[in-house]
Amino acid sequence: AQSVAQPEDQVNVAEGNPLTVKCTYSVSGNPYLFWYVQYPNRGLQFLLKYITGDNLVKGSYGFEAEFNKSQTSFHLKKPSALVSDSALYFCAVRDSNSGYALNFGKGTSLLVTP
Amino acid sequence: GAVVSQHPSWVICKSGTSVKIECRSLDFQATTMFWYRQFPKQSLMLMATSNEGSKATYEQGVEKDKFLINHASLTLSTLTVTSAHPEDSSFYICSARSAPTSPLHFGNGTRLTVT
Repeated sequence: AQSVAQPEDQVNVAEGNPLTVKCTYSVSGNPYLFWYVQYPNRGLQFLLKYITGDNLVKGSYGFEAEFNKSQTSFHLKKPSALVSDSALYFCAVRDSNSGYALNFGKGTSLLVTP
Repeated sequence: GAVVSQHPSWVICKSGTSVKIECRSLDFQATTMFWYRQFPKQSLMLMATSNEGSKATYEQGVEKDKFLINHASLTLSTLTVTSAHPEDSSFYICSARSAPTSPLHFGNGTRLTVT
């Protein structure tokens, strides 16, 4: 089964500092990886995806993610965090066994303090 | 960008009644829609995959007679929670895509509370 793991329940960072939200994957074949963000009582917003190509993927709101095949990781990063970045972040992998639905990690709560 | 509209955003119902949740793709044709359920502070669990004009495919452990899914057009899918019980209280989120390699676009979710 295609799966992702997010080892951190919460990440705290001061505003202006760089942030990293970790994700590792376990897939058979080529991974199709995604990051989404969720604000309270809202659906998910797409941030970025990796299908193929450059290992550094740039996405919305200044976020980027680095695909690392040797470490089977797809960490989300941002050079300078904003308080408004505080939200729940989900890493996901496309599952060919479920009609190409997404299987999500458990989520990481990001708290950016002023 | 692609917009998915989900309605209602919240609903309170009594045990034993049925509730219908609508999911519409507003500016694209959604050949496939997915229904997820999210428990508090937990991840999204896929309930079913819905293809336009076909019966939905349910994930293991999801009762198809309880969670009725209809995808009658390329822009609308509905989830009906039949004979709702308090344990059905949850956050339900739909998502849609236009093609297999397209990103999934999510509705804003429906908070269902069964009293």
